[in-house]
Amino acid sequence: EVQLVESGGGLVQPGGSLRLSCSASGFTFSTYAMHWVRQAPGKGLEYVSAISSNGGSTYYADSVKGRFTISRDNSKNTLYLQMSSLRAEDTAVYYCVKTSGSRLLGYFFDFWGQGTLVTVSS
Amino acid sequence: DIQMTQSPSTLSASVGDRVTITCRASQTISSWLAWYQQKPGKAPKLLIYKTSTLESGVPSRFSGSGSGTEFTLTISSLQPDDFATYFCQQYNSYWTFGQGTKVEIK
Repeated sequence: EVQLVESGGGLVQPGGSLRLSCSASGFTFSTYAMHWVRQAPGKGLEYVSAISSNGGSTYYADSVKGRFTISRDNSKNTLYLQMSSLRAEDTAVYYCVKTSGSRLLGYFFDFWGQGTLVTVSS
Repeated sequence: DIQMTQSPSTLSASVGDRVTITCRASQTISSWLAWYQQKPGKAPKLLIYKTSTLESGVPSRFSGSGSGTEFTLTISSLQPDDFATYFCQQYNSYWTFGQGTKVEIK
């Protein structure tokens, strides 16, 4: 059974940093590209970042480029999102998402974690 | 960037109704479109990919159609478990979501 368990969310002040983790199980983590998608309270889904199966390719939405860094440790079956210079508008539930393929582009999202809430407020 | 526009934003329907949700892309995305269902407080769940391919375990009352820039999700006979928010997503050029359609009880 595929499982994605996010952790690391919480309350952080504007300008602060936070690192999210996503522990994966039930599938061969190293063979799939992974993504982060967020959802502000009561809002729709917003794409955040992607990483290929071997970590060699990454992609960021313009809204987070230069502030967030996606990475993965295939030996630990774990996906990360390092977030810095956080703003109030980054407040959202952050979902870890598995795709249906190994490369960065051309695949849909076939499994989502339950999400972790990040609140940016003073 | 490709923009995705869903309509309607909210849909009121009764159990047993046939329901159709439309998603329009700002440029052609071939058949690279997926649909997701999200219930309150839960993660989105994949329903359909490549416009019309049903994900394993998804009831056959769900179907998808379209190509190019216009796509539809149809629920042939709405069931109590189907009241939720539905999102379309293009994955032809990076990834973009529609704004969502909330299906509520009439």
